[in-house]
Amino acid sequence: GEKVEQHQSTLSVREGDSAVINCTYTDTASSYFPWYKQEAGKSLHFVIDIRSNVDRKQSQRLTVLLDKKAKRFSLHITATQPEDSAIYFCAARRTSSGQKLVFGQGTILKVYL
Amino acid sequence: GALVYQYPRRTICKSGTSMRMECQAVGFQATSVAWYRQSPQKTFELIALSTVNSAIKYEQNFTQEKFPISHPNLSFSSMTVLNAYLEDRGLYLCGARDWGGDQDTQYFGPGTRLLVL
Repeated sequence: GEKVEQHQSTLSVREGDSAVINCTYTDTASSYFPWYKQEAGKSLHFVIDIRSNVDRKQSQRLTVLLDKKAKRFSLHITATQPEDSAIYFCAARRTSSGQKLVFGQGTILKVYL
Repeated sequence: GALVYQYPRRTICKSGTSMRMECQAVGFQATSVAWYRQSPQKTFELIALSTVNSAIKYEQNFTQEKFPISHPNLSFSSMTVLNAYLEDRGLYLCGARDWGGDQDTQYFGPGTRLLVL
C-alpha cells in the first residue's frame, strides 16, 4: 500500500537556527500534504499544508516545499524557538472523496538553548 | 470556525470491557469521518473511514466486530472499542473532512486517550 516515510527520527537544532524535516511518499496520486505537530501527551495540531498545484508555500517562519517528481516534501522552520520542540508528522492524501491520510512515523524536533 | 470535539478526553477501562467514544463536528458538515489510533511510541494508524453515502471501510487489522462505528449524520460519529485489552491502549483521534467546492480541509479532534488496566 501507499507509504509516507520520515527518515529522521530525531532532529536537534540550536535556538535561532533553521530546521528541515523531510518526507517521501509512494502514491503518485497524492495531492494533499499536511504537516501536524504533536506536543508531549497532546493531540495533533495542524501546522501547514501544501497541495500539488504548487511547489512552495510559506506561512511566517514555516515553508513547505514539494517535489512531485521525486515524491518528496519538506518542512522548513526558520529562527527556531524552544516552543517549536515537538514531534512533527507529515501526511499525504489523494484529493478525491473517500481517501485516507497516510502518516509518516514522526520526527522529534528538539530546539536547545 | 470549524471544530471537532471528542468525548471523553481520557478514559480508563478494565481489560475485557468496552468503551465508547464520540466525535462531533461543529461549524461544518463532515463529508467523511476517519478514526485513527496512535499506539504508544508509534504513528497514527487509520482504523476506519466513514464517507457520506458509502459503507464504512475498515483498514487491515481493524474490524467492525472489534471497533463498531456509528455515523448517523454529517456532524456526529461514535466508535466503540469492544473487549479492550492492553494492545488497544493509545490515543484515538477523530478526523472530520470538510470537502466540497473550493474547500478540502481535515480537522482533528483533541483525541480520546484510552488506558486499559
